[in-house]
Amino acid sequence: QQQVKQSPQSLIVQKGGISIINCAYENTAFDYFPWYQQFPGKGPALLIAIRPDVSEKKEGRFTISFNKSAKQFSLHIMDSQPGDSATYFCAASKEGTYKYIFGTGTRLKVLA
Amino acid sequence: DTGVSQDPRHKITKRGQNVTFRCDPISEHNRLYWYRQTLGQGPEFLTYFQNEAQLEKSRLLSDRFSAERPKGSFSTLEIQRTEQGDSAMYLCASSLEAAYGYTFGSGTRLTVV
Repeated sequence: QQQVKQSPQSLIVQKGGISIINCAYENTAFDYFPWYQQFPGKGPALLIAIRPDVSEKKEGRFTISFNKSAKQFSLHIMDSQPGDSATYFCAASKEGTYKYIFGTGTRLKVLA
Repeated sequence: DTGVSQDPRHKITKRGQNVTFRCDPISEHNRLYWYRQTLGQGPEFLTYFQNEAQLEKSRLLSDRFSAERPKGSFSTLEIQRTEQGDSAMYLCASSLEAAYGYTFGSGTRLTVV
C-alpha cells in the first residue's frame, strides 16, 4: 500500500522560475517529513525536513509548506537553476521507527 | 568523516549466484539502514540495525536475503540464489540514534542476467 503520494512525476521549469512538488500522506502518525535530492548514479541527499508543529520551513531557496489538516506537504524551489535538475523524493516517518516511506519521485529539469 | 561508503558500486551476476554487498557507515552513527530502489521508484525500506542488533526487517526481505552488522560497525547484505527481480540499486544509510536525518551512500547497482 502506497502511503505517500507524490506529484508531478516530472517537471520542466525555466531558469529563475519556481518549482513546486507536492506530496500527500495517509498515516496521521507520521511526524517527520524530509525531502531528498538525488542525482543520477548517486544516493539521495537530505535537502530539507519539517515536523508537523510548523506550517513552513525555509532554507535558502528551498521551502517546505505543510498542511496538517489536509495531510499534504510541498517543496518549493525558488529561482530554480539548471544545477537543481535532479530527482526529488518526499518521505515520511513516525517517531520510534526511523523508517522512511518514500514517494515515487519527481524528475525536475530546469532549462537554462 | 568520509560519508557512507558502499562497495561494490556495480555488480553484474548470473541468475542463481550469491552476491554480497558491504556498507561502511559514518563512524559515529549507530543506526544503519538498507533500502532498495528500482528504476523510477523511491527507495523501499529493507532493514535496519541499531549497533549490532537488527531491529526491523521488511517483508520485502525474503529468506534469500540476509543482513549482518558484526560489532556494530560495517554491514553486509547478502542475496542468495539471485533472481532477475533482484536487479535494483541497494542503498545503505546511517544516522545517529537521536536524529531522523539519514545520510545515504551512493549505492550498489545490481544487475542479474
